[in-house]
Amino acid sequence: AQSVAQPEDQVNVAEGNPLTVKCTYSVSGNPYLFWYVQYPNRGLQFLLKYITGDNLVKGSYGFEAEFNKSQTSFHLKKPSALVSDSALYFCAVRDTDSGTYKYIFGTGTRLKVLA
Amino acid sequence: DAGITQSPRHKVTETGTPVTLRCHQTENHRYMYWYRQDPGHGLRLIHYSYGVKDTDKGEVSDGYSVSRSKTEDFLLTLESATSSQTSVYFCAISPERTGEETQYFGPGTRLLVL
Repeated sequence: AQSVAQPEDQVNVAEGNPLTVKCTYSVSGNPYLFWYVQYPNRGLQFLLKYITGDNLVKGSYGFEAEFNKSQTSFHLKKPSALVSDSALYFCAVRDTDSGTYKYIFGTGTRLKVLA
Repeated sequence: DAGITQSPRHKVTETGTPVTLRCHQTENHRYMYWYRQDPGHGLRLIHYSYGVKDTDKGEVSDGYSVSRSKTEDFLLTLESATSSQTSVYFCAISPERTGEETQYFGPGTRLLVL
């Protein structure tokens, strides 16, 4: 079965510092990996994805993520955090085993950027 | 938001009553999903649909049923609401076009079961 783990419930970082939000995955085939962000009282918004190709993926709002096959990780990064980046972040994988379009989400990591 | 609306946006109901939530999309995507979001659990799939009258269960489907009689509408029904179904419910769609591998989410429905 495919799964996603986000080991940190919350990450605190000072404004201007680099940030990392961790995600590891378990899949049996080639992974389709995603990051989403959720602002208070809103639905999830797509940030970036890895399907194939370059291991460093760039996305919205200056975020990027590095796909590491050997470590089965897909960590979200940003070189310089903003207070406005404070939100709930979800990592997800698309189930490619079953041939369906089902997505499996992690439990989420709350990012708090301190001024 | 990819043209996804959910109704109602907020609902308070009593234990034992039936509740139906509606998800409407404007772009004729085949794949639609219902999730619930709870603290500590992230998003969990309740049911999904891969076409009109084609639906399948997700990981937390007990106590929920769905219907899809038109491409644009995906209904989630709680046959007899329980307090454990108090949650925020999100609908999502997934395009099938290569290069658009992702999901788009509606704004959510906040349900309180007393």
